[in-house]
Amino acid sequence: DVKVTQSSRYLVKRTGEKVFLECVQDMDHENMFWYRQDPGLGLRLIYFSYDVKMKEKGDIPEGYSVSREKKERFSLILESASTNQTSMYLCASSLGGVAVPDTQYFGPGTRLTVL
Amino acid sequence: AQKITQTQPGMFVQEKEAVTLDCTYDTSDPSYGLFWYKQPSSGEMIFLIYQGSYDQQNATEGRYSLNFQKARKSANLVISASQLGDSAMYFCAMRGIDGGFKTIFGAGTRLFVKA
Repeated sequence: DVKVTQSSRYLVKRTGEKVFLECVQDMDHENMFWYRQDPGLGLRLIYFSYDVKMKEKGDIPEGYSVSREKKERFSLILESASTNQTSMYLCASSLGGVAVPDTQYFGPGTRLTVL
Repeated sequence: AQKITQTQPGMFVQEKEAVTLDCTYDTSDPSYGLFWYKQPSSGEMIFLIYQGSYDQQNATEGRYSLNFQKARKSANLVISASQLGDSAMYFCAMRGIDGGFKTIFGAGTRLFVKA
């Protein structure tokens, strides 16, 4: 079974703090993704990565950055947390390639509250 | 641009009955894939079923089936013999070349199964 883990289930931070959310997958997947989930908006893609040290902006990258130094690990960084970044953050990974369905497998999520 | 629409924010179904969750999509891509995910209250997104745009038959996985109507651009999820454990959020998603291989998600439908 694919296992995607996230460093925290719940996190409370203060405005202006630098926040790190970690994600690790154990299935040697090429692709990794960070989403945020807000009620009524579904999942919105923040950043994704198709390879080590490679990153691409998603639909809502402002206020976030990412790092992928190793294939299994994809970190989301909030440079200066703000209250409008209070949300559920979901990490996912997928096998990669063009010809496959590219089913994404998700971690349990991190519920971040910024005060 | 690609778009996924789920018009049912919430639905109720009686235990042991079948239920259909609606999903319509918009894309100009000739090749794409459609996914359904389940998100229980625990937060983890669980992959349920996949349908490729060129698949001739509707996808089925146990009690889940995907009613794919390509001309109408709809990909409804049918859950047969509902169980209490089916109470969750359900997300329809799509991936295709038009979206740069990113997966986009609908806003979700919350299903409540009544005993």
